Amino acid sequence: KAGVTQTPRYLIKTRGQQVTLSCSPISGHRSVSWYQQTPGQGLQFLFEYFSETQRNKGNFPGRFSGRQFSNSRSEMNVSTLELGDSALYLCASSLEVTYSYNSPLHFGNGTRLTVT
Amino acid sequence: GQQLNQSPQSMFIQEGEDVSMNCTSSSIFNTWLWYKQDPGEGPVLLIALYKAGELTSNGRLTAQFGITRKDSFLNISASIPSDVGIYFCAGRTRPITGAQKLVFGQGTRLTINP
Repeated sequence: KAGVTQTPRYLIKTRGQQVTLSCSPISGHRSVSWYQQTPGQGLQFLFEYFSETQRNKGNFPGRFSGRQFSNSRSEMNVSTLELGDSALYLCASSLEVTYSYNSPLHFGNGTRLTVT
Repeated sequence: GQQLNQSPQSMFIQEGEDVSMNCTSSSIFNTWLWYKQDPGEGPVLLIALYKAGELTSNGRLTAQFGITRKDSFLNISASIPSDVGIYFCAGRTRPITGAQKLVFGQGTRLTINP
């Protein structure tokens, strides 16, 4: 079974631009979560989607948004990029929403975003 | 909000040694997960724990869900070079209001000297 697939693997953008990241969950998984990973802050939760609805949200500004499609694939968008947005963005999928018993997160390899 | 204290932050050991790391919190968790992350890759799930006191093994790895539900530990026996990486604990809690969230520790970086 294929794992979580994220595209692209690497991105370089300049301040003020916007970026869209894509995530395909494991087949049959209905929940997709997004995390930002930086050396200083560790893994920070962005949001979770289930059945095309945002079910949970972390403490990130409105410049960070996402959506989920009917096939469970998800996209994350960051507008008006800032230097501090440089990070590894990880997508994770699970069978059900993360508060379900026996439904751990499985991560993709991430998209490395560099903002210059 | 909930925080996880993961220790140690880094470990430098000899190949063949056993390794022990843990996560503690002042909050109660109903699930503990342990992940390993290699450079340039995403975290990979190692062990999932769902009941207080549960002890689960995955090869040379053993993890336990603390009886108080506020801590968990991960042991690696007879370490080998491919064990190098960053290990993360993650706890899932049910807040009084709102959805459950998964909280991650800051990670333990394991380095092995051959």
